[in-house]
Amino acid sequence: AQTVTQSQPEMSVQEAETVTLSCTYDTSESDYYLFWYKQPPSRQMILVIRQEAYKQQNATENRFSVNFQKAAKSFSLKISDSQLGDAAMYFCAIGGGADGLTFGKGTHLIIQP
Amino acid sequence: AAGVIQSPRHLIKEKRETATLKCYPIPRHDTVYWYQQGPGQDPQFLISFYEKMQSDKGSIPDRFSAQQFSDYHSELNMSSLELGDSALYFCASSLERGRANYGYTFGSGTRLTVV
Repeated sequence: AQTVTQSQPEMSVQEAETVTLSCTYDTSESDYYLFWYKQPPSRQMILVIRQEAYKQQNATENRFSVNFQKAAKSFSLKISDSQLGDAAMYFCAIGGGADGLTFGKGTHLIIQP
Repeated sequence: AAGVIQSPRHLIKEKRETATLKCYPIPRHDTVYWYQQGPGQDPQFLISFYEKMQSDKGSIPDRFSAQQFSDYHSELNMSSLELGDSALYFCASSLERGRANYGYTFGSGTRLTVV
């Protein structure tokens, strides 16, 4: 079984600052993928960033980057230059193949203007 | 670009009734997943289909069933509905069981309310 732990139920950051959301996971699989999804009040699940476990290089997507520490089973998300539109629930997830994704409980990100 | 289409967007049913949710994956995607997200909860994986065959089963109640048709669309059938089934139901699709570069794409969800 795979598990995902997000230890921060809520985070708050000033607009234009940087914030890091934590995620740890556990899996017995050797081949897997890690994801960060954003869920705004509309409840749409939006893919923020994706990391393949066999790739050592950390994934980046514009203002979003990850710190992937495979040995420590850690996958944190860094959001630079935070914007009001970044306010949402952020879910960390692990998956591979057709098994479906296992999600963490989520971190509610608040952006202070 | 085409996205994952779910219908209906909203559905209200009474206890013990039956509901059918539909999902149309992104064209050429061969894998479909269903998730249930209760209020204030994280999404829970229910079931997946790869090339029209059931691939994996998660926490799907016996009262629920699903299938994927020849055109790759999928339907989630829910019978003997209970108040606790009220949730947002997501469908997601992927190519090659999620191993293609663009991973999983979620639909906008169907909000089911059981009264």
